[in-house]
Amino acid sequence: GENVEQHPSTLSVQEGDSAVIKCTYSDSASNYFPWYKQELGKGPQLIIDIRSNVGEKKDQRIAVTLNKTAKHFSLHITETQPEDSAVYFCAASTQTSGSRLTFGEGTQLTVNP
Amino acid sequence: DVKVTQSSRYLVKRTGEKVFLECVQDMDHENMFWYRQDPGLGLRLIYFSYDVKMKEKGDIPEGYSVSREKKERFSLILESASTNQTSMYLCASSFRGPSGGFFGPGTRLTVL
Repeated sequence: GENVEQHPSTLSVQEGDSAVIKCTYSDSASNYFPWYKQELGKGPQLIIDIRSNVGEKKDQRIAVTLNKTAKHFSLHITETQPEDSAVYFCAASTQTSGSRLTFGEGTQLTVNP
Repeated sequence: DVKVTQSSRYLVKRTGEKVFLECVQDMDHENMFWYRQDPGLGLRLIYFSYDVKMKEKGDIPEGYSVSREKKERFSLILESASTNQTSMYLCASSFRGPSGGFFGPGTRLTVL
């Protein structure tokens, strides 16, 4: 089955710096890659996603890139703010798995004021 | 506003008890999921359902069962709770096909 690895497990940055979280996946048939943000005491919230027919997608300070050849995708957060501090999860799914997602282990991002 | 609600935020049960965790979504989503979340292990899929009365095992179904009698409701059942089932349980729902979906706030279950 699909295996998703996520790095780093913890990331600390200064406010205003950029943060990058990387994920690799094993199943070349994977075609959908969402990212989630989980704040303390809450369920994960979808923040951005990308499909395999697209190489990059941006939404304000957040962007995701996908390299299908290397089977990895990354989350980029620019101009980080303290409220970006949270746990971030990547995930992947295949057409045949329908909506079943395989998640990475999560990255604890801390933005220091 | 999309809502996925879970019956309890915190639950404490004794070993051997039968435990019911309820999840309700109001978006008419076809798919519903139950995950457990443990530190360092990410989110692991227990069971999911693509339609009413339909269920499929996820990656860690042992010790759990589910029920989906109505489209909006998906229940997770621990037939005989054990201490290793102490965890955060998250419900999610989504439309059919690859999509990110929405999560509930989670139920933190402690089994003593």
